[in-house]
Amino acid sequence: QSALTQPPSASGSLRQSVTISCTGTSSDVGGYNYVSWYQQHPGKAPKLMIYEVSKRPSGVPDRFSGSKSGNTASLTVSGLQAEDEADYYCSSYAGSSRSVFGTGTKVSVL
Amino acid sequence: QVQLQESGPGLVKPSETLSLTCTVSGAPISSYYWSWIRQPAGKGLEWIGRVYTREGTNYNPSLKSRVTMSVDTSKNQFSLNLRSVTAADTAVYFCARGGGDTYFIDWGQGTLVTVSS
Repeated sequence: QSALTQPPSASGSLRQSVTISCTGTSSDVGGYNYVSWYQQHPGKAPKLMIYEVSKRPSGVPDRFSGSKSGNTASLTVSGLQAEDEADYYCSSYAGSSRSVFGTGTKVSVL
Repeated sequence: QVQLQESGPGLVKPSETLSLTCTVSGAPISSYYWSWIRQPAGKGLEWIGRVYTREGTNYNPSLKSRVTMSVDTSKNQFSLNLRSVTAADTAVYFCARGGGDTYFIDWGQGTLVTVSS
């Protein structure tokens, strides 16, 4: 299984929005509504931000939203705040109880 | 609140076996899926595999020939063995609790394992 493709970097100004893409295949992203997104600050463990494409765990701000079209999923962060600056990873179910992660995107808040 | 804590040697010699344990508190280990995930320095996350007491194990195809995961319900722990390690296996290793077998709800803080003679 190959890693899902994400842009290496993305940026947005304070209070603006940024959208990160996550491209896979029909065997992972396109085949299941099981895409999740994780935020990782330097030296820390990843934190679940979105699961099952668009669901937010309790405690995650509604500024974070997810969507999917075909083989590409997206994470949008609206109203960017300084603490949103981090690495973001997507992950998808890939069948047979397997998972695959994306290549990761570094989000900068300008 | 579910907490996970990785433990094991921080240094492993090439060709030997990397062995890690994840101790879970706040959740019965027999009720969830549990995964190992690793991250080489400055690089992305790689799913290694998952274990569920009622269904067994599933591994990343690229690591399957070298990986074994198991659960100890009496200690509420699960473990990872990675055989025949090389420098490419040097990474921070995370254990995680699954939301079903499709996402990762809770993570340990991670433990750095270096493969070097």
